[in-house]
Amino acid sequence: QKEVEQNSGPLSVPEGAIASLNCTYSDRVSQSFFWYRQYSGKSPELIMSIYSNGDKEDGRFTAQLNKASQYVSLLIRDSQPSDSATYLCAVRLNTGNQFYFGTGTSLTVIP
Amino acid sequence: KAGVTQTPRYLIKTRGQQVTLSCSPISGHRSVSWYQQTPGQGLQFLFEYFSETQRNKGNFPGRFSGRQFSNSRSEMNVSTLELGDSALYLCASSLEFSMDTQYFGPGTRLTVL
Repeated sequence: QKEVEQNSGPLSVPEGAIASLNCTYSDRVSQSFFWYRQYSGKSPELIMSIYSNGDKEDGRFTAQLNKASQYVSLLIRDSQPSDSATYLCAVRLNTGNQFYFGTGTSLTVIP
Repeated sequence: KAGVTQTPRYLIKTRGQQVTLSCSPISGHRSVSWYQQTPGQGLQFLFEYFSETQRNKGNFPGRFSGRQFSNSRSEMNVSTLELGDSALYLCASSLEFSMDTQYFGPGTRLTVL
C-alpha cells in the first residue's frame, strides 16, 4: 500500500470556483503534511504546510487536516487559470524522516 | 540569491552505463536531498546529505549512490543503468538537516535507451 494516495484527476473547475484536492496517508504516526504545486515542466514548490488538526489558511489556499481519518485536503478558493498545475501531497513521519509524496492531482482551471 | 542548480539538465545514456548528476544548493543551505520522479511512481526520496554525511536513505538499490562535498554541493551516481531508471531527478536544498522547507532545483531529465 502506498504511503500517500491522491486522485490523479484530472480535476477541472471553472474560474472563480473552489477546487478541492484530497490526500490520504497510511501511517498513523505521520506528523507533518505538505502541499506542493508543480507546473508542467517545472519543479515542485511548497505552498502549504500543516501540522495540527483543523484548518490553516493562507490567502486563497486552505489546508485541512484530520489525523483521525488520516486525511489532508487543500482548498483553492476563487480558482484562477494560473492555478492550473499538478498538486502534490507530501507526508513526513516525524522530524528527521524522509518525505513521502503522492503521485499528484492534475488541476485545470477553465477560464 | 540564486536558486538550486542542477547539471546537466538533460542526459541520454544506454543500459549498463553509469551516470553522475550534480546539484548546487542555495547559498548557505547545508542539506541536499535527491528525488526520482516518474509518471507511475511519482516523487520518490533517494537520500539526504548533510555535513558531507548521508543522513537518510530511501528504498532504492545500491546502484544509486551519492556524496556531498565540503561546500555542500552534491552529486548522485547511478551505476549499471536500467531502462527503468529513466526519470526526472530532482535535487532539493534546505538550510539545515531535516527542515520541512526545501527548495527544488529544475531537475535532470535522464533517458536510458
